[in-house]
Amino acid sequence: GAGVSQTPSNKVTEKGKYVELRCDPISGHTALYWYRQSLGQGPEFLIYFQGTGAADDSGLPNDRFFAVRPEGSVSTLKIQRTERGDSAVYLCASSFQGGGGYTFGSGTRLTVV
Amino acid sequence: KQEVTQIPAALSVPEGENLVLNCSFTDSAIYNLQWFRQDPGKGLTSLLLIQSSQREQTSGRLNASLDKSSGRSTLYIAASQPGDSATYLCAADTGANSKLTFGKGITLSVRP
Repeated sequence: GAGVSQTPSNKVTEKGKYVELRCDPISGHTALYWYRQSLGQGPEFLIYFQGTGAADDSGLPNDRFFAVRPEGSVSTLKIQRTERGDSAVYLCASSFQGGGGYTFGSGTRLTVV
Repeated sequence: KQEVTQIPAALSVPEGENLVLNCSFTDSAIYNLQWFRQDPGKGLTSLLLIQSSQREQTSGRLNASLDKSSGRSTLYIAASQPGDSATYLCAADTGANSKLTFGKGITLSVRP
C-alpha cells in the first residue's frame, strides 16, 4: 500500500481481556517496528522484525506482550490480560531494510477500562 | 543507555518568527539523528534525518544541525506559520537494529 496501515484506529477493552493490534507495512519493506507512546511521552521501542523473525524484542515490557509477523509482511501485536497501564497509542513503522527512512502508521489508541 | 531530552516541553510564538527547537542526547555514538512531526491524534511524519557523518540537513524552511561531540541537535524553522503548530520529536538511532530513542517532544503553537 501507499503507507503503513494500522487497525483498529481505536480500541476500548476491559481489564483482563485479550487484544490484537494489526500493522500492514509498506509493500517491500523488510523491517517493521512497534513502539508505544503514553500520554505526554515520546514513543518507546517495543520490538523489531527483520523479515519474519523478531530480531530484537528487548522493549516488550513483560510476557503478556507478544508480536508475530508470519509471512514477513503484516504484523500483529498481541496483549494478554490487559491492564489499565497498557493504555497508550501503539505505533507501527516500517523501512526498506532498517537503517533510517522510517514510515509510521497513524497508530492504534488502546484504552483499557 | 541513550537518553534524549527536549526542553522546553511547549513553545508559543507569533507567526513569522524564526525559531529553534533543541534536542540533547547522552550517548554520542549515534548512527543518525531524526526529527519528526506529530499532529494531534496522528502518527509521526519524518522531517529530516542527519547521518552521523553530517553536520546538517535542510528541507524547505527547516534546517536541522547535529553536533555529536556535544550531544546536541537543533531544528530551525524559518518564518513560522500557524500550520507549523504540532509536536516535534527528535530521536537518536544508535545503530543497534536501528531502533530509535525518542525525546518527549516540544509542542509548538504558532499564533496568527
